[in-house]
Amino acid sequence: GDSVTQMEGPVTLSEEAFLTINCTYTATGYPSLFWYVQYPGEGLQLLLKATKADDKGSNKGFEATYRKETTSFHLEKGSVQVSDSAVYFCALSEGSGGSNYKLTFGKGTLLTVNP
Amino acid sequence: EPEVTQTPSHQVTQMGQEVILRCVPISNHLYFYWYRQILGQKVEFLVSFYNNEISEKSEIFDDQFSVERPDGSNFTLKIRSTKLEDSAMYFCASRRTSGDYEQYFGPGTRLTVT
Repeated sequence: GDSVTQMEGPVTLSEEAFLTINCTYTATGYPSLFWYVQYPGEGLQLLLKATKADDKGSNKGFEATYRKETTSFHLEKGSVQVSDSAVYFCALSEGSGGSNYKLTFGKGTLLTVNP
Repeated sequence: EPEVTQTPSHQVTQMGQEVILRCVPISNHLYFYWYRQILGQKVEFLVSFYNNEISEKSEIFDDQFSVERPDGSNFTLKIRSTKLEDSAMYFCASRRTSGDYEQYFGPGTRLTVT
């Protein structure tokens, strides 16, 4: 079945540091790929997505590129801020005819950014 | 901005008791989901619901679990006889249409079974 493996945390960075959180996936078809973020006390929010190979998703300075050849979707940000401290989840979804799109998640990576 | 809400935020129950977790999806959304996350583990899909019926369920979603949309606004998850291993964070999510990938998540209900 489908699976997502992401970099174990926690990750602690100083403000303005470069961030990479690795994510690789296994899927039977051609999934859509997502990064979700969970701020303390809140639900999961979609951060960015990519629906086909070589697509780059981007939002709030974060970006990730759908790499079919390496089955990866690594999250990057050039300069993190304290407000980026959260748990980041990589996920995939296979449409199976377009009606379901259940999500398969990675374990989550806790990011802490210090001033 | 519309959001998915869940109640309660934390539920403590004794083993063998029934619990109902409640969710109010975004009002014009048509697809509904429950996920759970056991502490320190992955967020796992439980069930999806569309047009008043289950469209897919995982092997976790056994006969102890049921879902219902009783009144057109609430979406509930019932666990008939809770076990210790049901202790987890339960997330509800909703999605607008068949062509829209994004699922909107609620803040979760933390269920503790003692």
